[in-house]
Amino acid sequence: GESVGLHLPTLSVQEGDNSIINCAYSNSASDYFIWYKQESGKGPQFIIDIRSNMDKRQGQRVTVLLNKTVKHLSLQIAATQPGDSAVYFCAENTDKLIFGTGTRLQVFP
Amino acid sequence: DVKVTQSSRYLVKRTGEKVFLECVQDMDHENMFWYRQDPGLGLRLIYFSYDVKMKEKGDIPEGYSVSREKKERFSLILESASTNQTSMYLCASSKRAGGLAGVGDTQYFGPGTRLTVL
Repeated sequence: GESVGLHLPTLSVQEGDNSIINCAYSNSASDYFIWYKQESGKGPQFIIDIRSNMDKRQGQRVTVLLNKTVKHLSLQIAATQPGDSAVYFCAENTDKLIFGTGTRLQVFP
Repeated sequence: DVKVTQSSRYLVKRTGEKVFLECVQDMDHENMFWYRQDPGLGLRLIYFSYDVKMKEKGDIPEGYSVSREKKERFSLILESASTNQTSMYLCASSKRAGGLAGVGDTQYFGPGTRLTVL
């Protein structure tokens, strides 16, 4: 089927390496942030979230870092696996969710 | 686990046809949403609903309508499909945060319906 994001920035990593995906958000009043993973032909899948009163949150193999000073969010994936290949996008929440356009992660063996 | 289901994965319709896209969630969420997703444009909100019978326009409501007769079901209607409505349509649901209407927590998405209008 048609690719979700034909013109997305792409991050290519080797299997086993760590991946860092970045996101700049727009509204300093945003109080809640979410990272989603979207595999080809599927709906977005929740990965991890963070509230604005935190600067770091860890999940299983994933860590989200929030820098409110520069309005920047990052998703770190440890020991990247082929199954991590997907489009990743962040969302920021004020009174509604605003989604970024995403980054494509490609994992090479 | 939250489960959001959509009635069709792939749909092909002709220009001028009336199209119904159905979405059902099983987590008793108050909020439900319809988005379309196009290459390079990301997710754009069409309509959302924060309660039964309630609906609010999103960023691109033109050419669409919605119906929420039951809490678990949210329908998107294309009254007269056009070729520029060819897209991936995604439904999502979320709990209401803090009891505030329209303010939600994490949104959980369905698998999407890829609609092609010929």
